[in-house]
Amino acid sequence: DTEVTQTPKHLVMGMTNKKSLKCEQHMGHRAMYWYKQKAKKPPELMFVYSYEKLSINESVPSRFSPECPNSSLLNLHLHALQPEDSALYLCASSRLGQNQPQHFGDGTRLSIL
Amino acid sequence: GESVGLHLPTLSVQEGDNSIINCAYSNSASDYFIWYKQESGKGPQFIIDIRSNMDKRQGQRVTVLLNKTVKHLSLQIAATQPGDSAVYFCAEISPFNQAGTALIFGKGTTLSVSS
Repeated sequence: DTEVTQTPKHLVMGMTNKKSLKCEQHMGHRAMYWYKQKAKKPPELMFVYSYEKLSINESVPSRFSPECPNSSLLNLHLHALQPEDSALYLCASSRLGQNQPQHFGDGTRLSIL
Repeated sequence: GESVGLHLPTLSVQEGDNSIINCAYSNSASDYFIWYKQESGKGPQFIIDIRSNMDKRQGQRVTVLLNKTVKHLSLQIAATQPGDSAVYFCAEISPFNQAGTALIFGKGTTLSVSS
């Protein structure tokens, strides 16, 4: 079992809906990440948080809004998504500093109708 | 831009054989690499890592080799089992600041093990 927990596992939503993806880790990691993975492709970085502050935004559209309420939780708020946003959304965490492996959750499978 | 890539998209082996999965990277400044295994419906699972000051690192049934001269990384799986069937990604750590790092994934190799 992964030590990074993501909920829900599956989500189907319409283009006008607002929903949130949640991620939780209790490994004491102070860096957390959101990735997007399309079928048969590698994960692509979306956001990086360190010390609960946004460090990196890889030019992600504003319809994706991340939030880090505390050191254990990471949310991704979704609004007005497009069908091409359908993908597996992965959360990861790591210790801070160089050369630290990232540990992934099993993702949320998102389908936009 | 620079990226980490894999040589073969698919690899099929018989149970009990040794598997070798290859990866070429282009950023000579990279100093840390990770291999991940991703099973269907799961997230990437850490297998093994290696730092650039090493040429070889061994784990349980897995060995990673790093050749910095030709910028090549490989993952060797001994006595491959059906449970090893998955997509394998190499990933390069790109340090962006003191606060954390960003992973750059290769394209992935799908390993199929038949019994």
